[in-house]
Amino acid sequence: DAKTTQPNSMESNEEEPVHLPCNHSTISGTDYIHWYRQLPSQGPEYVIHGLTSNVNNRMASLAIAEDRKSSTLILHRATLRDAAVYYCILTAGANNLFFGTGTRLTVIP
Amino acid sequence: DGGITQSPKYLFRKEGQNVTLSCEQNLNHDAMYWYRQDPGQGLRLIYYSQIVNDFQKGDIAEGYSVSREKKESFPLTVTSAQKNPTAFYLCASSILTGRNTEAFFGQGTRLTVV
Repeated sequence: DAKTTQPNSMESNEEEPVHLPCNHSTISGTDYIHWYRQLPSQGPEYVIHGLTSNVNNRMASLAIAEDRKSSTLILHRATLRDAAVYYCILTAGANNLFFGTGTRLTVIP
Repeated sequence: DGGITQSPKYLFRKEGQNVTLSCEQNLNHDAMYWYRQDPGQGLRLIYYSQIVNDFQKGDIAEGYSVSREKKESFPLTVTSAQKNPTAFYLCASSILTGRNTEAFFGQGTRLTVV
């Protein structure tokens, strides 16, 4: 399965936009790009997913590079409740969600 | 409200005892999964089930067993054969196991074996 590379940690000031990068240079044509986040001592929460086109929902936006070898999760206005570990996943199916170590986002008041 | 429920939230057991973790969902999802998470690490798949009375091993199935007698329920038993059972266990469900489906996770059970 194709794997992803994310920075271990990032910081953002509250109420500013956050861009969380993810590299997936070995992505296959049928892999969807999924993002989940996990708050401390809780289960992961689905954020967004996409295939080729950029996607928007109430939580975030997903920008996918034209060659699909990288993507960026965009939180338009970070709040303290957005502090979490964010996982970028290429899924071959929901039975094969490979969660790596993700990016720990710290939001500074 | 629809969702996925794991119980208990915290569980303590003595070494050598089997223990069963509960997972129930009322989302009418066909697929259910069990993951294990160790401190500072990502999730690893233990077992998954795509349909009642059928389940498949994940990456780290040794020392674990599951059953899927009802669509809503997917209990996980941590047996005494599991060498390092202390971990955070997460159950999830989804409509299908395909690429274009999102998974819904429970709040987890933190198992400590002493």
